[in-house]
Amino acid sequence: GEDVEQSLFLSVREGDSSVINCTYTDSSSTYLYWYKQEPGAGLQLLTYIFSNMDMKQDQRLTVLLNKKDKHLSLRIADTQTGDSAIYFCAEIRSGYALNFGKGTSLLVTP
Amino acid sequence: EAGVVQSPRYKIIEKKQPVAFWCNPISGHNTLYWYLQNLGQGPELLIRYENEEAVDDSQLPKDRFSAERLKGVDSTLKIQPAELGDSAVYLCASSLAATNNNEQFFGPGTRLTVL
Repeated sequence: GEDVEQSLFLSVREGDSSVINCTYTDSSSTYLYWYKQEPGAGLQLLTYIFSNMDMKQDQRLTVLLNKKDKHLSLRIADTQTGDSAIYFCAEIRSGYALNFGKGTSLLVTP
Repeated sequence: EAGVVQSPRYKIIEKKQPVAFWCNPISGHNTLYWYLQNLGQGPELLIRYENEEAVDDSQLPKDRFSAERLKGVDSTLKIQPAELGDSAVYLCASSLAATNNNEQFFGPGTRLTVL
Protein backbone atom coordinates (compact mmCIF):
# COMPACT_ATOMS: atom_id res chain seq x y z
CA GLY A 1 0.00 0.00 0.00
CA GLU A 2 0.95 3.66 -0.04
CA ASP A 3 3.38 4.91 2.57
CA VAL A 4 2.89 7.53 5.24
CA GLU A 5 6.08 9.57 5.00
CA GLN A 6 8.11 11.01 7.86
CA SER A 7 11.66 12.26 8.18
CA LEU A 8 13.73 9.68 10.03
CA PHE A 9 15.74 11.80 12.47
CA LEU A 10 15.50 15.08 14.33
CA SER A 11 17.93 16.49 16.87
CA VAL A 12 17.14 19.52 19.03
CA ARG A 13 18.56 21.20 22.09
CA GLU A 14 16.72 21.04 25.38
CA GLY A 15 14.34 23.97 25.69
CA ASP A 16 13.95 24.47 21.95
CA SER A 17 10.84 23.59 19.98
CA SER A 18 10.68 20.40 17.92
CA VAL A 19 8.63 20.08 14.76
CA ILE A 20 8.00 16.64 13.27
CA ASN A 21 6.38 16.50 9.86
CA CYS A 22 4.31 13.84 8.18
CA THR A 23 2.63 13.35 4.82
CA TYR A 24 -0.27 10.93 4.85
CA THR A 25 -2.03 9.18 2.01
CA ASP A 26 -5.74 8.75 2.69
CA SER A 27 -7.72 11.96 2.27
CA SER A 28 -10.78 10.24 3.76
CA SER A 29 -9.01 9.50 7.03
CA THR A 30 -11.32 10.83 9.75
CA TYR A 31 -8.63 11.02 12.40
CA LEU A 32 -4.88 11.45 12.33
CA TYR A 33 -2.69 10.43 15.22
CA TRP A 34 0.70 10.95 16.80
CA TYR A 35 2.09 8.05 18.81
CA LYS A 36 5.26 8.01 20.92
CA GLN A 37 7.44 4.93 21.40
CA GLU A 38 10.18 4.81 24.00
CA PRO A 39 12.86 2.08 23.90
CA GLY A 40 11.46 -1.33 24.75
CA ALA A 41 7.96 0.01 25.19
CA GLY A 42 4.74 -0.12 23.26
CA LEU A 43 3.20 2.84 21.49
CA GLN A 44 1.54 5.56 23.51
CA LEU A 45 -1.07 7.81 21.92
CA LEU A 46 0.15 11.40 22.35
CA THR A 47 -2.60 13.25 20.58
CA TYR A 48 -4.96 13.06 17.64
CA ILE A 49 -6.81 15.47 15.43
CA PHE A 50 -10.19 15.17 13.76
CA SER A 51 -10.04 15.76 10.03
CA ASN A 52 -12.31 18.82 10.11
CA MET A 53 -9.86 20.69 12.35
CA ASP A 54 -6.81 22.70 11.29
CA MET A 55 -5.11 22.85 14.63
CA LYS A 56 -5.22 21.24 18.05
CA GLN A 57 -3.26 22.35 21.08
CA ASP A 58 -2.70 20.20 24.14
CA GLN A 59 -0.27 21.64 26.69
CA ARG A 60 3.18 21.55 25.02
CA LEU A 61 1.86 19.79 21.92
CA THR A 62 0.45 21.54 18.85
CA VAL A 63 -0.86 19.58 15.88
CA LEU A 64 -1.35 21.28 12.53
CA LEU A 65 -3.32 19.68 9.72
CA ASN A 66 -3.29 20.74 6.08
CA LYS A 67 -5.85 18.54 4.34
CA LYS A 68 -5.20 19.99 0.91
CA ASP A 69 -1.57 18.87 1.02
CA LYS A 70 -2.25 15.86 3.30
CA HIS A 71 0.36 17.24 5.68
CA LEU A 72 0.39 16.79 9.44
CA SER A 73 2.86 18.23 11.90
CA LEU A 74 3.57 17.89 15.59
CA ARG A 75 5.22 20.72 17.47
CA ILE A 76 6.62 20.09 20.93
CA ALA A 77 7.32 23.29 22.83
CA ASP A 78 10.14 23.50 25.40
CA THR A 79 11.46 20.08 24.43
CA GLN A 80 12.89 18.06 27.32
CA THR A 81 15.33 15.14 27.39
CA GLY A 82 12.40 12.93 28.38
CA ASP A 83 10.84 13.68 25.01
CA SER A 84 13.58 11.69 23.28
CA ALA A 85 11.75 8.82 21.58
CA ILE A 86 10.39 7.69 18.23
CA TYR A 87 7.29 9.53 17.06
CA PHE A 88 4.88 7.85 14.65
CA CYS A 89 2.32 9.56 12.51
CA ALA A 90 -0.71 7.40 11.66
CA GLU A 91 -3.81 7.68 9.54
CA ILE A 92 -6.91 5.58 9.91
CA ARG A 93 -8.24 3.47 7.07
CA SER A 94 -11.57 1.71 6.76
CA GLY A 95 -12.57 3.21 10.07
CA TYR A 96 -10.20 1.17 12.22
CA ALA A 97 -6.90 0.13 10.59
CA LEU A 98 -3.99 2.37 11.57
CA ASN A 99 -1.47 2.99 8.81
CA PHE A 100 1.78 4.15 10.40
CA GLY A 101 4.78 5.99 9.05
CA LYS A 102 8.28 4.65 9.70
CA GLY A 103 8.71 6.95 12.67
CA THR A 104 10.91 9.96 13.45
CA SER A 105 13.65 9.48 16.03
CA LEU A 106 13.83 12.61 18.18
CA LEU A 107 17.05 13.19 20.10
CA VAL A 108 17.06 15.97 22.67
CA THR A 109 20.52 17.09 23.77
CA PRO A 110 21.28 19.04 26.95
CA GLU B 1 -6.34 0.24 35.56
CA ALA B 2 -4.02 -2.32 33.99
CA GLY B 3 -2.99 -1.74 30.41
CA VAL B 4 -2.63 -4.29 27.65
CA VAL B 5 -0.54 -7.18 28.92
CA GLN B 6 1.64 -9.29 26.66
CA SER B 7 3.86 -12.26 27.33
CA PRO B 8 6.54 -13.22 26.93
CA ARG B 9 8.40 -9.96 26.53
CA TYR B 10 11.27 -11.64 24.73
CA LYS B 11 11.56 -14.94 22.91
CA ILE B 12 14.53 -16.50 21.16
CA ILE B 13 13.96 -19.63 19.09
CA GLU B 14 15.62 -21.54 16.31
CA LYS B 15 14.11 -21.48 12.84
CA LYS B 16 11.44 -24.07 12.10
CA GLN B 17 10.36 -24.11 15.75
CA PRO B 18 6.84 -23.04 16.78
CA VAL B 19 6.22 -20.00 18.96
CA ALA B 20 3.17 -18.44 20.60
CA PHE B 21 2.46 -14.99 21.97
CA TRP B 22 -0.26 -14.12 24.45
CA CYS B 23 -2.22 -10.92 24.91
CA ASN B 24 -4.68 -9.77 27.55
CA PRO B 25 -6.46 -6.59 26.46
CA ILE B 26 -7.77 -3.82 28.67
CA SER B 27 -10.87 -4.97 30.52
CA GLY B 28 -14.01 -4.20 28.55
CA HIS B 29 -12.25 -3.63 25.24
CA ASN B 30 -13.97 -5.80 22.69
CA THR B 31 -11.68 -4.95 19.78
CA LEU B 32 -8.23 -6.54 19.73
CA TYR B 33 -5.44 -6.09 17.19
CA TRP B 34 -2.17 -7.84 16.49
CA TYR B 35 0.51 -5.77 14.78
CA LEU B 36 3.95 -6.68 13.46
CA GLN B 37 6.73 -4.13 13.86
CA ASN B 38 9.96 -4.72 11.96
CA LEU B 39 13.10 -2.87 12.96
CA GLY B 40 13.00 0.74 11.80
CA GLN B 41 9.39 0.48 10.66
CA GLY B 42 5.99 1.39 11.93
CA PRO B 43 3.57 -1.32 13.08
CA GLU B 44 1.56 -3.16 10.43
CA LEU B 45 -1.78 -4.74 11.16
CA LEU B 46 -1.90 -8.55 11.07
CA ILE B 47 -5.40 -9.26 12.36
CA ARG B 48 -8.31 -7.55 14.07
CA TYR B 49 -10.91 -9.16 16.33
CA GLU B 50 -14.33 -7.89 17.27
CA ASN B 51 -15.08 -10.00 20.35
CA GLU B 52 -14.21 -13.55 19.29
CA GLU B 53 -14.60 -12.96 15.56
CA ALA B 54 -11.63 -12.24 13.31
CA VAL B 55 -13.11 -9.48 11.16
CA ASP B 56 -9.93 -8.64 9.24
CA ASP B 57 -7.17 -11.18 8.77
CA SER B 58 -6.26 -10.17 5.24
CA GLN B 59 -2.65 -9.35 6.18
CA LEU B 60 -2.04 -12.51 8.22
CA PRO B 61 0.25 -15.01 6.40
CA LYS B 62 -2.02 -17.96 6.89
CA ASP B 63 0.47 -20.60 5.80
CA ARG B 64 2.38 -20.26 9.05
CA PHE B 65 0.51 -17.77 11.24
CA SER B 66 -2.65 -18.40 13.19
CA ALA B 67 -4.52 -16.54 15.90
CA GLU B 68 -7.41 -17.16 18.22
CA ARG B 69 -9.54 -15.29 20.69
CA LEU B 70 -11.83 -18.04 21.87
CA LYS B 71 -13.78 -16.27 24.62
CA GLY B 72 -13.51 -12.79 23.24
CA VAL B 73 -10.96 -11.67 25.83
CA ASP B 74 -7.40 -13.06 25.71
CA SER B 75 -5.78 -13.79 22.40
CA THR B 76 -2.93 -15.97 21.19
CA LEU B 77 -0.85 -15.49 18.05
CA LYS B 78 1.10 -18.50 16.81
CA ILE B 79 3.81 -19.02 14.23
CA GLN B 80 4.58 -22.53 13.03
CA PRO B 81 7.20 -22.98 11.76
CA ALA B 82 9.12 -19.77 12.42
CA GLU B 83 11.46 -18.38 9.78
CA LEU B 84 14.41 -16.02 10.12
CA GLY B 85 12.38 -13.19 8.62
CA ASP B 86 9.83 -13.43 11.42
CA SER B 87 12.24 -11.74 13.81
CA ALA B 88 10.35 -8.60 14.86
CA VAL B 89 8.27 -7.12 17.65
CA TYR B 90 4.69 -8.39 17.86
CA LEU B 91 2.38 -5.79 19.35
CA CYS B 92 -1.09 -6.30 20.70
CA ALA B 93 -3.55 -3.42 21.00
CA SER B 94 -7.14 -3.04 22.13
CA SER B 95 -9.87 -0.47 21.82
CA LEU B 96 -13.47 0.20 22.72
CA ALA B 97 -15.51 -0.18 19.57
CA ALA B 98 -17.81 2.61 20.60
CA THR B 99 -15.28 5.43 20.80
CA ASN B 100 -15.31 8.01 18.04
CA ASN B 101 -11.57 8.41 17.72
CA ASN B 102 -10.81 4.67 17.76
CA GLU B 103 -8.01 5.17 20.27
CA GLN B 104 -5.95 2.00 20.34
CA PHE B 105 -3.99 1.11 23.46
CA PHE B 106 -0.81 -0.84 22.84
CA GLY B 107 0.95 -3.42 24.93
CA PRO B 108 4.77 -3.47 25.34
CA GLY B 109 5.16 -6.12 22.66
CA THR B 110 6.96 -9.43 22.36
CA ARG B 111 10.38 -9.21 20.74
CA LEU B 112 10.98 -12.38 18.74
CA THR B 113 14.43 -13.41 17.58
CA VAL B 114 14.66 -16.37 15.21
CA LEU B 115 18.14 -17.89 14.90
